[in-house]
Amino acid sequence: QKEVEQDPGPLSVPEGAIVSLNCTYSNSAFQYFMWYRQYSRKGPELLMYTYSSGNKEDGRFTAQVDKSSKYISLFIRDSQPSDSATYLCALADKAAGNKLTFGGGTRVLVKP
Amino acid sequence: ETGVTQTPRHLVMGMTNKKSLKCEQHLGHNAMYWYKQSAKKPLELMFVYNFKEQTENNSVPSRFSPECPNSSHLFLHLHTLQPEDSALYLCASSQDGVGGLNTEAFFGQGTRLTVV
Repeated sequence: QKEVEQDPGPLSVPEGAIVSLNCTYSNSAFQYFMWYRQYSRKGPELLMYTYSSGNKEDGRFTAQVDKSSKYISLFIRDSQPSDSATYLCALADKAAGNKLTFGGGTRVLVKP
Repeated sequence: ETGVTQTPRHLVMGMTNKKSLKCEQHLGHNAMYWYKQSAKKPLELMFVYNFKEQTENNSVPSRFSPECPNSSHLFLHLHTLQPEDSALYLCASSQDGVGGLNTEAFFGQGTRLTVV
């Protein structure tokens, strides 16, 4: 079983729709939860960073963490064609030091 | 400009060649990383350096040899690679070093490596 599971997609939505992304994980020690966005031929860039369970909102982006279910989500409201990219979840626990465990990424296509 | 610069952007090499990938960060960070990104697979951590010292080698074959001469520069020396080593190699940096957890890693654009 992979430590972090993420549907590879592609997830295709019309412009203006809500994009819903998620990851599940098996290691209950994970405490830090991140979402990265990666455009084609580019490196990943950090979008959202949350610690422990709860919600965090930043503009059109909302990250949710449910540690009891080992499930994290990213929602993109009012999606734009420029949101078309691969979204990677990444998790870490303090005991493992400076080490991120990534999901495989979900490719998102927002059609005009 | 992400603050982390990788060169070259693309590299094609034969299995008997020796080449090096270079990474430079302009962010004043103390930790630097090499990741491998293959098609349809999650990002794989290869090496971690904190304050120029290697703190993690994630069971990487010896045909990959990292070098960190200072906190701003990181190299990955390649020799006798295999076709399955073809991938996007990403360098990243983050603020904290040993004893600190800083998960806000900043990535470079990557080097697309093809081994023929």
